[in-house]
Amino acid sequence: EAGVAQSPRYKIIEKRQSVAFWCNPISGHATLYWYQQILGQGPKLLIQFQNNGVVDDSQLPKDRFSAERLKGVDSTLKIQPAKLEDSAVYLCASSSSPLGGPRNEQFFGPGTRLTVL
Amino acid sequence: DAKTTQPNSMESNEEEPVHLPCNHSTISGTDYIHWYRQLPSQGPEYVIHGLTSNVNNRMASLAIAEDRKSSTLILHRATLRDAAVYYCLLHGSGNTGKLIFGQGTTLQVKP
Repeated sequence: EAGVAQSPRYKIIEKRQSVAFWCNPISGHATLYWYQQILGQGPKLLIQFQNNGVVDDSQLPKDRFSAERLKGVDSTLKIQPAKLEDSAVYLCASSSSPLGGPRNEQFFGPGTRLTVL
Repeated sequence: DAKTTQPNSMESNEEEPVHLPCNHSTISGTDYIHWYRQLPSQGPEYVIHGLTSNVNNRMASLAIAEDRKSSTLILHRATLRDAAVYYCLLHGSGNTGKLIFGQGTTLQVKP
């Protein structure tokens, strides 16, 4: 079974530029998560999708971050414009857990390491 | 959201058992105890989870206190590949399923 795929693996941009990350979850997984992990810290949830609907985006900085999950499969996370403090690893995860149902494990991708100069 | 408390770091010798503790005194009745680990330059990886009874799988064992306010992840024979950050999380059906990660425990394994 293929795992969660993410691209690119690394990205370096200058502040005020825009950047986009792509995630392909495990086939059949309805729930998709984007996390931000700053060096030395645990991952922090940015947004959660159930199929193509947003379940939780309470910690997403909506003035600069946006995310979509068209057709309930792949997802993209965009930052525009980027700030220095956005330097982090952006992790995508997927799960087969239905909303309100049993809590199954999450499968994480390798992440995209973003450096903002 | 209920929080967990873990030691910042632990050391172990290769091929010896490792007991990683976690306190979760505010756990609710529907919260499952999950453990993930993160190897360097990789995304977190699911290790094990349980509700009330002790659990075993191919990777580890999970011992849950009778009052559920603490748990211990047990690696029976540590290998160098087990060196990672280990996160203990509470995962309840009462929320949307999001995981709240703390700082975790950095496990160092000595040859």
